[in-house]
Amino acid sequence: NAGVMQNPRHLVRRRGQEARLRCSPMKGHSHVYWYRQLPEEGLKFMVYLQKENIIDESGMPKERFSAEFPKEGPSILRIQQVVRGDSAAYFCASSPSTGGPGELFFGEGSRLTVL
Amino acid sequence: QKEVEQDPGPLSVPEGAIVSLNCTYSNSAFQYFMWYRQYSRKGPELLMYTYSSGNKEDGRFTAQVDKSSKYISLFIRDSQPSDSATYLCAMSDHYNYGQNFVFGPGTRLSVLP
Repeated sequence: NAGVMQNPRHLVRRRGQEARLRCSPMKGHSHVYWYRQLPEEGLKFMVYLQKENIIDESGMPKERFSAEFPKEGPSILRIQQVVRGDSAAYFCASSPSTGGPGELFFGEGSRLTVL
Repeated sequence: QKEVEQDPGPLSVPEGAIVSLNCTYSNSAFQYFMWYRQYSRKGPELLMYTYSSGNKEDGRFTAQVDKSSKYISLFIRDSQPSDSATYLCAMSDHYNYGQNFVFGPGTRLSVLP
């Protein structure tokens, strides 16, 4: 049973370019969460999605960031016109619909570097 | 004051030592307390979680919660080099709302052989 799969693992972009990060949840999981981790800081919640629905995007910057979880395919976190401050590790986590703290599983992260 | 604070580390101990990792928090609504282990360049993996106050033991790991002091701890007995990682505490006021998880910044632990 494959875990949460994220790709790319590493992504380098120049300022002003777009970054797309993909996340495939664990089999049987219908809830996806995106977190951002800056050096020496904890994981910060960004957005929570279910299939075709954004449930909570309270942690996501209002501009340049968007997320989707289509009926088919992975969840995508999209960052437009990247700036140096977007450099971070972005983690996706998934859980089943009735999951609790013990059922939130993380991927290995996508590390974005903005030059 | 940050919502969750954690001993900054880094922490280096010899193999076999008892390790104590600690977090404090300010939000009295937190009821679920988690400890994650994160190896370098990997994602966090859940070690243990507890509900409300009390202790929970799992092998060499013991999680302790003191809600009256807003303080939680993770103890590692007989530490091993394979325990070398960053340990994140996390807290939530709801059972299954991952969007409510608040993470500490992590403590980096090195166990020296």
